[in-house]
Amino acid sequence: DAKTTQPPSMDCAEGRAANLPCNHSTISGNEYVYWYRQIHSQGPQYIIHGLKNNETNEMASLIITEDRKSSTLILPHATLRDTAVYYCIVRVDRRAGNNRKLIWGLGTSLAVNP
Amino acid sequence: DSGVTQTPKHLITATGQRVTLRCSPRSGDLSVYWYQQSLDQGLQFLIQYYNGEERAKGNILERFSAQQFPDLHSELNLSSLELGDSALYFCASSSTGSQDEQYFGPGTRLTVT
Repeated sequence: DAKTTQPPSMDCAEGRAANLPCNHSTISGNEYVYWYRQIHSQGPQYIIHGLKNNETNEMASLIITEDRKSSTLILPHATLRDTAVYYCIVRVDRRAGNNRKLIWGLGTSLAVNP
Repeated sequence: DSGVTQTPKHLITATGQRVTLRCSPRSGDLSVYWYQQSLDQGLQFLIQYYNGEERAKGNILERFSAQQFPDLHSELNLSSLELGDSALYFCASSSTGSQDEQYFGPGTRLTVT
């Protein structure tokens, strides 16, 4: 199963860009990278996803390396409300049957400081 | 507000008991997912239903079961509860069965004493 590796914690100054890295070196060609975040004990919130190309939406940008073995989530102007745990997930599909499952790691705990 | 509702918000029960957690997906979503999150742990995927049928199974214990009803709401049944079952239980929904963007409910905090 494709797994992801993220730093356990990061700090960022309010108003600056937060760059959150994720390694997924065993990713397969048809697997997407998803990012979610979870503010303390709340339900996770979808942020963005991508396959090969860089993606941008109103919340963040996703940069995926050409070999697709790593990606970076960018919050362009972090605010205090962006303090959360950020999860990088690779969607896994097994060809045998319907045994699909998402594998969530421990994520990166981002602290945005005033 | 994600549009996914879960009840109850909190549940306190004793070991050996059985509880039922309920989830209503976003309007129009056909897939429901259940997750368990223990203290300071990541999310553990339990099970997914799509339009009433089981679609994917994760690390769900045999003491746990789930179902999705014709109106698409879902219930997670936890039986013979143990102290280690204390956790946050999240439900999520998505429009398709392929685990794309998932929208999470606020969770049910289960405490087993």
